[in-house]
Amino acid sequence: GAGVSQSPRYKVAKRGQDVALRCDPISGHVSLFWYQQALGQGPEFLTYFQNEAQLDKSGLPSDRFFAERPEGSVSTLKIQRTQQEDSAVYLCARSLGVATIYEQYFGPGTRLTVT
Amino acid sequence: AQKVTQAQTEISVVEKEDVTLDCVYETRDTTYYLFWYKQPPSGELVFLIRRNSFDEQNEISGRYSWNFQKSTSSFNFTITASQVVDSAVYFCALNGANSKLTFGKGITLSVRP
Repeated sequence: GAGVSQSPRYKVAKRGQDVALRCDPISGHVSLFWYQQALGQGPEFLTYFQNEAQLDKSGLPSDRFFAERPEGSVSTLKIQRTQQEDSAVYLCARSLGVATIYEQYFGPGTRLTVT
Repeated sequence: AQKVTQAQTEISVVEKEDVTLDCVYETRDTTYYLFWYKQPPSGELVFLIRRNSFDEQNEISGRYSWNFQKSTSSFNFTITASQVVDSAVYFCALNGANSKLTFGKGITLSVRP
């Protein structure tokens, strides 16, 4: 694979439930990105980390979305009080650095369905 | 603001045909990188190529080739002698000074036997 594992691969949540999505990149990649991909659309940036520091969270759609990477490796994207519009595939990507020159390698994604 | 436009939404070809996927971008950054990713039915985005804004040389990798033209802000992708395994959604993306990838909406390519 691309050296990024994500779990769960599929998640069904009832509206109003909280969910936590996990991303585990191979070691040595300081940067980690989260994207949201709605059906039939391209991925859209949510947030990124350099090691444990969250450098940009401008793409998070609301204060119900929260991401963390406390030890600079595994990251968790948490969505509180899920809404139907949160239904999407959530993609995590790793990169050697935050500079634009580095390509990003994506995990398989977590498909979230809110009913 | 950055923007990537993939005007084609769906393309269908017969195996062995050549096919070109178009990508037009907008950015105010002078240094930026362009990418193509493939998303097969399995869903995982696969990195294909990276090109920086200072290198307008075309690139060829097997059946794949890329044409970068700064004058028209385009970064087109050609698959020669297409195969059924090429069927996927292809995304063009741009990374400027802010390190975020901006993706186009993708082109669904179907290659029929």
